[in-house]
Parts: sequence; structure tokens; C-alpha cells
Amino acid sequence: KAGVTQTPRYLIKTRGQQVTLSCSPISGHRSVSWYQQTPGQGLQFLFEYFSETQRNKGNFPGRFSGRQFSNSRSEMNVSTLELGDSALYLCASTETSGGHNEQFFGPGTRLTVL
Amino acid sequence: AQSVTQLGSHVSVSEGALVLLRCNYSSSVPPYLFWYVQYPNQGLQLLLKYTTGATLVKGINGFEAEFKKSETSFHLTKPSAHMSDAAEYFCAVTGSGGSNYKLTFGKGTLLTVNP
Repeated sequence: KAGVTQTPRYLIKTRGQQVTLSCSPISGHRSVSWYQQTPGQGLQFLFEYFSETQRNKGNFPGRFSGRQFSNSRSEMNVSTLELGDSALYLCASTETSGGHNEQFFGPGTRLTVL
Repeated sequence: AQSVTQLGSHVSVSEGALVLLRCNYSSSVPPYLFWYVQYPNQGLQLLLKYTTGATLVKGINGFEAEFKKSETSFHLTKPSAHMSDAAEYFCAVTGSGGSNYKLTFGKGTLLTVNP
């Protein structure tokens, strides 16, 4: 099975722009979660989608949003980019719901905001 | 709510030496505990997890961890370090009840292995 794929791998934007990141989960996985990784704050949960519904959301401003499509692929969008949004954005998928399930991570999208 | 504390942001060992990475957690419900490893420019890879049952958990690449409820700890060990073990290691927790789908991570421990 192919792993979790994320596109693009690298992205450079300027302040005020918006950006969309894409995540394709492992085939058959219905849950997709997004995490932000920065040197200062570490790994922080953004949101989780299951069957096109957002089930859980982290403590991020409304500029961060996401969605999931019927084929389980997910996108996250960040509007009005700020310098502090520079980070590695990781997507993870899991087969079913439940905290005991392993989350399989993609390689991430490295976003740089200038 | 859950939280994770990893003691030591950087651990350095010699090749062949014992690896011990410390993790303490806080959880209001019975926890599920995980150790992930991250190599440069890559995502996270699961090393091992504790859900229920045996408290000594064996993972990939010779790593193991022991869940100690009384100490709220889940320390990661490997008897003999290899150069390829150099990476960043993250301890994480989720809860066992309700909509506990998110992983709460520690700040990570960077492991350096010296020849």
C-alpha cells in the first residue's frame, strides 16, 4: 500500500497570501488529522476529519481551516498568512476512529512565509 | 485533558551504549501512549504503542518501553545504540474515551549517537 502523500513538499509564500495544502491518506483510511510542527511550539494538533466531517479541532485561529472529500483526501487552508505560520505541516491518517489506532504520517509540507 | 513531558531535549550516547529517553504523561482518562521517531526531512514513524494489556511493549528497531501507571511514565529504552538511531523521538498520548482522536506530543528528544 502506498503511504500518506502530501503535496506540495515545499512552499514559499508572502505575508497576507493564502495557501492550500493537500493530503492523500492511505487507501481505506477514513480519518485524516493535521498537525503543525515548529521549533518553538513543537507538534500541535490542528484538526481531524472523518467521513467528511470535522470531529475535533485544536486551538488555532479561524484562519486555519480544512475539509475532507468523499474519497478521504483532505485539504487544509491558511488565509492571511503570518510569519509565524512558517512550519512543517504534517498529515496523518488512520483506518478507523479511536485513540488507540496508529496514525500514519506523511512526509509533511514545509511552508515558509516571507 | 492530556499532556506529555519529555525530560531532556537532547541526549547523547556512544554507539553500543544504553539508550534511555524519558517520558511522563498526565491524563484524566486511561491513556494510550506512543513513541514516534522522526528522521531529518521526514514525517513521523511509530516505534511502539501501549493501549491495554502487557505493560512492557516491544517495538521496531530493538526499542521497548514500559508503562508504569504509578509513576505516570512511559520511558523508551534500547540496550545498544546504533548510529542509525540518531533522530528525534516524540512521546505522545491520547485518551481512551470519547472523541480522543488527537495525539498530544511532548517537545521531543534529539538523540545523538557518537562513534
